Amino acid sequence: QQKVQQSPESLSVPEGGMASLNCTSSDRNFQYFWWYRQHSGEGPKALMSIFSDGDKKEGRFTAHLNKASLHVSLHIRDSQPSDSALYFCAVRPDTNAYKVIFGKGTHLHVLP
Amino acid sequence: AQTIHQWPVAEIKAVGSPLSLGCTIKGKSSPNLYWYWQATGGTLQQLFYSITVGQVESVVQLNLSASRPKDDQFILSTEKLLLSHSGFYLCAWVVGNTLYFGEGSRLIVV
Repeated sequence: QQKVQQSPESLSVPEGGMASLNCTSSDRNFQYFWWYRQHSGEGPKALMSIFSDGDKKEGRFTAHLNKASLHVSLHIRDSQPSDSALYFCAVRPDTNAYKVIFGKGTHLHVLP
Repeated sequence: AQTIHQWPVAEIKAVGSPLSLGCTIKGKSSPNLYWYWQATGGTLQQLFYSITVGQVESVVQLNLSASRPKDDQFILSTEKLLLSHSGFYLCAWVVGNTLYFGEGSRLIVV
């Protein structure tokens, strides 16, 4: 069964700093990677999707995908206390268009 | 505008009692709908998905069932709750290629 590994489990960065989160798929057969953010007590919110090699930038968030290594990263520049949340990586396998598999998440703490 | 509404927001239920959680989508016809479960601070586990009225596919067995009685409604239920059913239940739908979640229903089983 396809697995999605995220690292680190927890990350603390100072306000204004750069946060870097990592995600790897165990299965080469995937269509998309997504990054989600979840604040405590709320439903997860989609941040961005990426399916082509290279970088995708949206505001302070940049995702980088390397299909050869099945690795995607999320970089948050100028981190704000409001960025403190649980970040999930998700993958949709080629074999089932209706399945979306999530990693265990990274807890990001931005210290004022 | 497309909206997703989940109910109830939170419930405290006894072991062995029945449960019904609901989800309504507005602003999109024939949406693909999903149920996910999340233990506190944990990952999101896909439970069911439905692509049309009356059709539901199970992804993982957790002594729960789901139904799609209307195009815009998805129901999650069980006749007998277990302690392990406690957690956060999230309904989701697909827009384009992205899954969008509701605000969830918090369930505590005692």
